[in-house]
Amino acid sequence: ILNVEQSPQSLHVQEGDSTNFTCSFPSSNFYALHWYRWETAKSPEALFVMTLNGDEKKKGRISATLNTKEGYSYLYIKGSQPEDSATYLCAPSNTGNQFYFGTGTSLTVIP
Amino acid sequence: DSGVTQTPKHLITATGQRVTLRCSPRSGDLSVYWYQQSLDQGLQFLIQYYNGEERAKGNILERFSAQQFPDLHSELNLSSLELGDSALYFCASSVEAGYEQYFGPGTRLTVT
Repeated sequence: ILNVEQSPQSLHVQEGDSTNFTCSFPSSNFYALHWYRWETAKSPEALFVMTLNGDEKKKGRISATLNTKEGYSYLYIKGSQPEDSATYLCAPSNTGNQFYFGTGTSLTVIP
Repeated sequence: DSGVTQTPKHLITATGQRVTLRCSPRSGDLSVYWYQQSLDQGLQFLIQYYNGEERAKGNILERFSAQQFPDLHSELNLSSLELGDSALYFCASSVEAGYEQYFGPGTRLTVT
């Protein structure tokens, strides 16, 4: 079982603030890193899938980076909006295609 | 709407019973994944199928089994149900491993 850690556990920011979260995972047997956005009472929504060390992905105001050698990924949100309020999950997968989810970072953006 | 459908939406059953959860992937997706979310735990990966074949196994109990049919829909069978099996079961699909997964709305199972 992979030990996946996400920090912080929760975060409250003001509208317009930029913020970032961390996902740490064991680097051995790494295959891919998935980021999801999960709103209450909905299903997880895929944000990014990254596989290569140094990968950077961007979708609107949200971006992510990946360091497979040291086993971490950062998710950045620029100019947070109330609609960004959600839990952000990371899930690394290994070469055996097994997925291990972190417990998530709960983001609340205060208008 | 992700394009992934799951039925039923809710299921209430008694301990010791057996249930089947069904998932239809997005059109064109060959991979199906099953996940469990219990109250006291985060999302747990159960099993993955690709084009009808089992590809990866996670924390799936021996009382649980799954299969993917030629039309690519998948079923998760849960037997000898226990109270602790009460959870939200998600199905997700993707083109292939390493690609974005699209989650269905989930099936809420309550075992009484």
